[in-house]
Formats: sequence, structure tokens, C-alpha cells
Amino acid sequence: AQSVAQPEDQVNVAEGNPLTVKCTYSVSGNPYLFWYVQYPNRGLQFLLKYITGDNLVKGSYGFEAEFNKSQTSFHLKKPSALVSDSALYFCAVRDPYINDYKLSFGAGTTVTVRA
Amino acid sequence: NAGVTQTPKFQVLKTGQSMTLQCAQDMNHEYMSWYRQDPGMGLRLIHYSVGAGITDQGEVPNGYNVSRSTTEDFPLRLLSAAPSQTSVYFCASSYSKPVNVLTFGAGSRLTVL
Repeated sequence: AQSVAQPEDQVNVAEGNPLTVKCTYSVSGNPYLFWYVQYPNRGLQFLLKYITGDNLVKGSYGFEAEFNKSQTSFHLKKPSALVSDSALYFCAVRDPYINDYKLSFGAGTTVTVRA
Repeated sequence: NAGVTQTPKFQVLKTGQSMTLQCAQDMNHEYMSWYRQDPGMGLRLIHYSVGAGITDQGEVPNGYNVSRSTTEDFPLRLLSAAPSQTSVYFCASSYSKPVNVLTFGAGSRLTVL
């Protein structure tokens, strides 16, 4: 079975400081990993994905994520957070060895960036 | 491009009533899916479809029906609404290959009294 955990319900940072949102996963093989962001009263938007190759993946709005196979993690990072980054962030995983479509999402992490 | 369009945005039902949440996409995506979002539980997959005429159950299918008669449309039916179905519902679609990056609709907030 595939699953993903986001250990922090909330992350609070000051504008200009680094931002990290944590994600760990569980799959039987090599995972496909995704980050999505949800702004208030909106649908989810795709940020970035890891399929294969470089462990450091760069995505939209200056975000990046690092795939760490030994720690089964895929933490989302941004070197300098903006107030506009305040949103709900979801990590998602798919095990390509067992299905071609179904994503499993984490519970989400609310990020608040204070001015 | 309209992307993924969901209607209605808001709906209030009484227990036992039925309704259909509509979802349409104009990107010729093969894959379409319905999720529900509840606080602290993230998104849970209700039903999905990999093409017209093909549907399958997700994690939480009970109380919901779907059909896929065309590539564009994927309606979600609640046959007899229950308070436990109060939630925000998202439709999402993607190409099937090579990697399905989902495009989400804006959501439908359903309250069952």
C-alpha cells in the first residue's frame, strides 16, 4: 500500500526566512512524489514532482524539494519565504508498480508567513 | 482554457435528498477523479475513471455513484445524502501517461443538514 505523512499540521515562519514543509512516504518500490498548494477557497495547484533522476527538484514560485530515498522523505523548501506563500500544502505519492493513476495525499500542512 | 469546471460551488441538502455534482474538463484528459477534503484528513479518493465507460472505486466510495459517458464529463451522484457527506469535493483530471499531474477544479462545498 502507498501512503504519505506530513508530520506538521502548521508551519510558521517570518518573511525572508527559509521555509521547510516535511513529507515522508511509504511505497513498495520507487515512488512518484508530488507537491500541491491550495490557496484559500481555491482548488489545488501543482508545484513540482519527482519521478527519477536528480534528487533535487525545482518547481513553481521558487520552491524546490529534495528526494531522500534512505529517509523516505520528500521535503518541500523555499530559501526565502514570502507572505504570499501562506497556504495549505499537500504532499502526494503514487507507487507506479501497483497502479498508473491513484495518488495518495497527506493531511496537509498550513503554512503561515508573517510580515 | 476553462480547465476543470465544477458546479455548483455551494449546496445545502437535507438528509436523504439526492443531488449530482457536475465536473467537466476541456483538456481531453483520459483520467478523471473525485476527492473529498475534510479537515485533518487531506484528500481522499472517492471514485475515478480512466476513460469513457470505465470507472472504479477509490478509498471512500460508499454513498456515491459515478458514470463516464463522455471524455469531458464525470458527474458524482449522492443518492441519499447523509451528514457525514458534508465536505468539500474536488474533481481532478490528467493525462494517463507518462505521469499524471492532476488539474483540479475550484471545489464544491456541500453541507448536509
